[in-house]
Amino acid sequence: GESVGLHLPTLSVQEGDNSIINCAYSNSASDYFIWYKQESGKGPQFIIDIRSNMDKRQGQRVTVLLNKTVKHLSLQIAATQPGDSAVYFCAETLPGNQFYFGTGTSLTVIP
Amino acid sequence: GAVVSQHPSRVICKSGTSVKIECRSLDFQATTMFWYRQFPKKSLMLMATSNEGSKATYEQGVEKDKFLINHASLTLSTLTVTSAHPEDSSFYICSASKAHRGYFGPGTRLTVL
Repeated sequence: GESVGLHLPTLSVQEGDNSIINCAYSNSASDYFIWYKQESGKGPQFIIDIRSNMDKRQGQRVTVLLNKTVKHLSLQIAATQPGDSAVYFCAETLPGNQFYFGTGTSLTVIP
Repeated sequence: GAVVSQHPSRVICKSGTSVKIECRSLDFQATTMFWYRQFPKKSLMLMATSNEGSKATYEQGVEKDKFLINHASLTLSTLTVTSAHPEDSSFYICSASKAHRGYFGPGTRLTVL
C-alpha cells in the first residue's frame, strides 16, 4: 500500500477551541481523499472528502484543506466538542477504490 | 445513505478452528469490497480487495490460504480465517464503495484462545 501518515499521533484541545489534524500522503497520483472518525470498538465513519482538483472543502464544523504541492491534508474542526473525541484517519484512494489509511491521530477534548 | 453490516460483531474461538465473518451492503450493490485488519491503537491495514464473481486480490504479506475471501453476490463478501491462532486475534473491518466513497462496517472483534 501507499504511505499515508499523520504528523501528530495525539492531540488534546479544550472544548470550544478549534482542532487541526494533519496528514501527509506520498502518492501524487491519488485523486481522492477522505477523513474518517473512529470511535473505540467501532468502524470508521465518513467525515468529509475532497478531490484533488480542489484546495478546500467545508462541511458542518469541519473543513478539509488539500495542498498537492507538498502532499498535505488537514482537517479542521471548529468549536470542538466532547463528542469529537475519537481517532481520526486520513485515507487516500487509488485506482480500484482501495483506501489506504494513515497512522491516525487520537483527539481528546478536554471539557 | 449506504449501510454496511458485519456479522458477528464479536467471536471467540479456539486455536485451530476456522471463523467466518460476513460483510453485507444493505442498501446498495457493491462489486468490490475491502477487508481491513486493525490492531489496538493502530491504523487500518488493507488485507485484500474482494471482487464479486472473481478471485480476491491480496495485499503483499497477507496469506491468501489463511484468509479466504468469497464474494458470492453483489451484497455479500465473507472472510474466513482458517486454522486460527492467537496472533490472528484482531479487529476485522470491511468496507464497500459507493460513488467513490468508502462505507465501513462496524467491525468484528476476533479473539483466538
